Amino acid sequence: DAKTTQPPSMDCAEGRAANLPCNHSTISGNEYVYWYRQIHSQGPQYIIHGLKNNETNEMASLIITEDRKSSTLILPHATLRDTAVYYCIVRVATYGGATNKLIFGTGTLLAVQP
Amino acid sequence: DAMVIQNPRYQVTQFGKPVTLSCSQTLNHNVMYWYQQKSSQAPKLLFHYYDKDFNNEADTPDNFQSRRPNTSFCFLDIRSPGLGDAAMYLCATSREGGAAYGYTFGSGTRLTVV
Repeated sequence: DAKTTQPPSMDCAEGRAANLPCNHSTISGNEYVYWYRQIHSQGPQYIIHGLKNNETNEMASLIITEDRKSSTLILPHATLRDTAVYYCIVRVATYGGATNKLIFGTGTLLAVQP
Repeated sequence: DAMVIQNPRYQVTQFGKPVTLSCSQTLNHNVMYWYQQKSSQAPKLLFHYYDKDFNNEADTPDNFQSRRPNTSFCFLDIRSPGLGDAAMYLCATSREGGAAYGYTFGSGTRLTVV
């Protein structure tokens, strides 16, 4: 079962920052948080991941609370092409930790408005 | 560019007629995953291979099988497709063994059952 909860949809004005929240209150100490997005009829696209510290790359920033029970994905200047479903995912260990798998939650449909 | 390739992009099959979907990767990743994504739903993990070790999800129907003849290729076999198996099927890969890496998805195969 998915370990994340997200709002089903959000709107954002073009050029403004989009802040997408995610709750993962049952996350374990060694489980990573991943963010992916999926534009209609395409495969999911990797955005960012993190464990404890805040992370930033060319696409987005990831803010993880100190207790790790929630996180926020920030798209600093949203464009119309950022309209997509955004998935917050906790990477779950299998095989006693030898490998891992991504279990998707329901995601947030972000609609960027002109 | 290194990538995950799924063929065909669209597949139409008859009710009850076996069908095989294929996935290949040039990333040399040791783990390959198959997801099923029905319309307006999140991707659902069916199974994955860690090298040659097969790991089935508990709720994956027996109708779904998989083969991984080598590192680069992985196949999804649906033995007797039903109307309810119409979906997008996504292949993903990852490199496991310690640090957390991104997971790379293919563009998917959209399966129609008639």
